[in-house]
Amino acid sequence: ILNVEQSPQSLHVQEGDSTNFTCSFPSSNFYALHWYRWETAKSPEALFVMTLNGDEKKKGRISATLNTKEGYSYLYIKGSQPEDSATYLCALSSNDYKLSFGAGTTVTVRA
Amino acid sequence: DARVTQTPRDKVTEMGQEVTMRCQPILGHNTVFWYRQTMMQGLELLAYFRNRAPLDDSGMPKDRFSAEMPDATLATLKIQPSEPRDSAVYFCASGKDGPNTGELFFGEGSRLTVL
Repeated sequence: ILNVEQSPQSLHVQEGDSTNFTCSFPSSNFYALHWYRWETAKSPEALFVMTLNGDEKKKGRISATLNTKEGYSYLYIKGSQPEDSATYLCALSSNDYKLSFGAGTTVTVRA
Repeated sequence: DARVTQTPRDKVTEMGQEVTMRCQPILGHNTVFWYRQTMMQGLELLAYFRNRAPLDDSGMPKDRFSAEMPDATLATLKIQPSEPRDSAVYFCASGKDGPNTGELFFGEGSRLTVL
């Protein structure tokens, strides 16, 4: 089982402010790292899949970076809006096609 | 829009009854995952398939849970007998060529309540 750790568990951010949070993983077992956005009462939706060290991906105001050598990924939200309130899940794939999820970071954007 | 379809959306049953949840993956996807939403772990992996072959079901309680993929368009998760602690939302997700290369697409989930 891959150990995927996310921090913090939850955070509150004022509308308009930017924020970021972390996903940590054992670097030696890396194949691909996924980020998903999970809104309450909905199903998770993919944001990014990253495989290369130094990868940076962006979708609107959300971006992510990947450091496979040190075993972490950051997700950034620029200019947070209330619709960004969700749980953001990080997941790691292994050589047997397993995708293991972290417990998530729950973001609450206050208007 | 191609999407993963799960049935039933909601199921209430009594302890000891058999429950079967079904999932239709997106056409052309060859990996299928079953996850359970938990308070502590977020998404707990129960079982997954690649090209209809089960790769790992070590996350399931073997004495009561079983997962099968009778054909490429149907995956099932069965609980027999069900217990109150099985109450949760069960998600199915599918992907093309596996998570090492691409994202998973999730169904809307099956909410199970065992009384």
